[in-house]
Amino acid sequence: KNQVEQSPQSLIILEGKNCTLQCNYTVSPFSNLRWYKQDTGRGPVSLTIMTFSENTKSNGRYTATLDADTKQSSLHITASQLSDSASYICVVNHNDMRFGAGTRLTVKP
Amino acid sequence: EAGVAQSPRYKIIEKRQSVAFWCNPISGHATLYWYQQILGQGPKLLIQFQNNGVVDDSQLPKDRFSAERLKGVDSTLKIQPAKLEDSAVYLCASSLVPGGETEAFFGQGTRLTVV
Repeated sequence: KNQVEQSPQSLIILEGKNCTLQCNYTVSPFSNLRWYKQDTGRGPVSLTIMTFSENTKSNGRYTATLDADTKQSSLHITASQLSDSASYICVVNHNDMRFGAGTRLTVKP
Repeated sequence: EAGVAQSPRYKIIEKRQSVAFWCNPISGHATLYWYQQILGQGPKLLIQFQNNGVVDDSQLPKDRFSAERLKGVDSTLKIQPAKLEDSAVYLCASSLVPGGETEAFFGQGTRLTVV
């Protein structure tokens, strides 16, 4: 069983709308949690990083939250743009990187 | 700063043939990773190098996959012989130190299709 589960598997939203992606993990303890964005045909690129003691971290229109008690993280995207269409991957680090399967986001005009 | 370079970008081979992928990490990055990403899934670690030594190859199918990192810089990943289920994107990544403490930077990947 994967130690990092993401939901939904895919999501379609209209340009300008907000959305929230979920990540549940069982990796414990962990040193940090990252959200990566992977455009089609590209390698993943880090968006945010949080240690276990941080609750929220923002990067422009992206805001990640972390609840270490419930072992959940979310990535909120505000005012979505067409260029946000990509896969978003949650990665939990403890000696090695544990990847989720990703959420495929499609932003339509 | 130059990123992680991978080649080729695409490769189509018949089953039972051999194929090799090349990776040049970011200069100064001691840790190098090879991942296999099957369509619709997250990357799966195949092998991790620290300089030119292997740190983790527990998920590498050693009967057909091999990898080396000569002189602790460039790396090659080889598949011999290829199977249909090897069709995937092979991602190379590098980081300053291992364990995810520093960001891992990924190359664009090599998309392998085995027919």
